[in-house]
Amino acid sequence: GQNIDQPTEMTATEGAIVQINCTYQTSGFNGLFWYQQHAGEAPTFLSYNVLDGLEEKGRFSSFLSRSKGYSYLLLKELQMKDSASYLCAVQGDYKLSFGAGTTVTVRA
Amino acid sequence: EPEVTQTPSHQVTQMGQEVILRCVPISNHLYFYWYRQILGQKVEFLVSFYNNEISEKSEIFDDQFSVERPDGSNFTLKIRSTKLEDSAMYFCASSLILGQGISPLHFGNGTRLTVT
Repeated sequence: GQNIDQPTEMTATEGAIVQINCTYQTSGFNGLFWYQQHAGEAPTFLSYNVLDGLEEKGRFSSFLSRSKGYSYLLLKELQMKDSASYLCAVQGDYKLSFGAGTTVTVRA
Repeated sequence: EPEVTQTPSHQVTQMGQEVILRCVPISNHLYFYWYRQILGQKVEFLVSFYNNEISEKSEIFDDQFSVERPDGSNFTLKIRSTKLEDSAMYFCASSLILGQGISPLHFGNGTRLTVT
């Protein structure tokens, strides 16, 4: 089965840093993905990790520890447009399974 | 940048009617998917499709659902007899590779299905 947990909501101030944690227990694991989803829109790909460690991509970084079943997404220099839902997803052999998403609200 | 396109963007249908949701995946992608998202809930996997066969399907994807790649470009999801609980946003996605070869899924903008 699939169990992917992430906090429901987070609030942060413009210009700050926010870290969104994700823990997972899945029957298969080939990689961990992070997607951004604005309300009423499609998920858009942000970052992925296959091996343990940190992947940096501009203002976004993602970390993975496979032994702990743990990942986080770090958003730096927050902007108002970063207000969205952030989805943690685990890739198995034939599907990508999503967590419920973390709604991040950026305040001025 | 190539994108996944879905039509229609909105579909309203009566309970018991058949609907076909259409998708044109990115042209060089090999794997195709349907997901759904009920309002306020998480994105749920329905089915994955490769080489003209279903690779995996979820419990949601029962006998009322079917997928087809009728030609070299389209990928369709058919719901045979819609129920009220089928009301959701349906996302099509495609990827180059899957499994241990990592390739992100690219999503279309979705079809909002409303069953009345």
